[in-house]
Amino acid sequence: NAGVTQTPKFRVLKTGQSMTLLCAQDMNHEYMYWYRQDPGMGLRLIHYSVGEGTTAKGEVPDGYNVSRLKKQNFLLGLESAAPSQTSVYFCASSYGQGAANEKLFFGSGTQLSVL
Amino acid sequence: GIQVEQSPPDLILQEGANSTLRCNFSDSVNNLQWFHQNPWGQLINLFYIPSGTKQNGRLSATTVATERYSLLYISSSQTTDSGVYFCAVGYSGGGADGLTFGKGTHLIIQP
Repeated sequence: NAGVTQTPKFRVLKTGQSMTLLCAQDMNHEYMYWYRQDPGMGLRLIHYSVGEGTTAKGEVPDGYNVSRLKKQNFLLGLESAAPSQTSVYFCASSYGQGAANEKLFFGSGTQLSVL
Repeated sequence: GIQVEQSPPDLILQEGANSTLRCNFSDSVNNLQWFHQNPWGQLINLFYIPSGTKQNGRLSATTVATERYSLLYISSSQTTDSGVYFCAVGYSGGGADGLTFGKGTHLIIQP
């Protein structure tokens, strides 16, 4: 019973490098989200998707891109990493009709350091 | 956007004690959830509680939507209750879908 799976769990990048974080869920959820968590702060929404082929910006989208080519997968890309993107990244998913009406399930997180 | 404030920011208790964590929010919401982030970073959904009261073992939660606050009660604390507790809210007028999180209450249960 995997739930929401994120890969990789840890990554170190140099400034300017690119990378993609993968989120996969096996609960047939429509909605998927990417959040970042910084020390002393709560989670902030980066991008989200309300279904296969759709994406939308959240609170802090700059410097990130996303894709939802398959319903079960949601990818977060950093085209040119910056030290300000050092953070812990969480993927989450929920059933349809949006998180405003549905319980949210989280992956275990990806710790990213940009040097 | 909506503001979410949690109190207290830090709480240190002895094993067996009871505690109350508070979440205030600045606007009407139709979704409120409580999460526990354990010391390994995993976020666990405790309650989906936009209104009313729910109980799950030693934990219970109450949301008074008309007064814009929610309370999380932990009774007979155990060391495994340590971690950060987040309140998160959602509302239809937010412009972007998803939950807005508070900064959390860091709870330490000492043996």
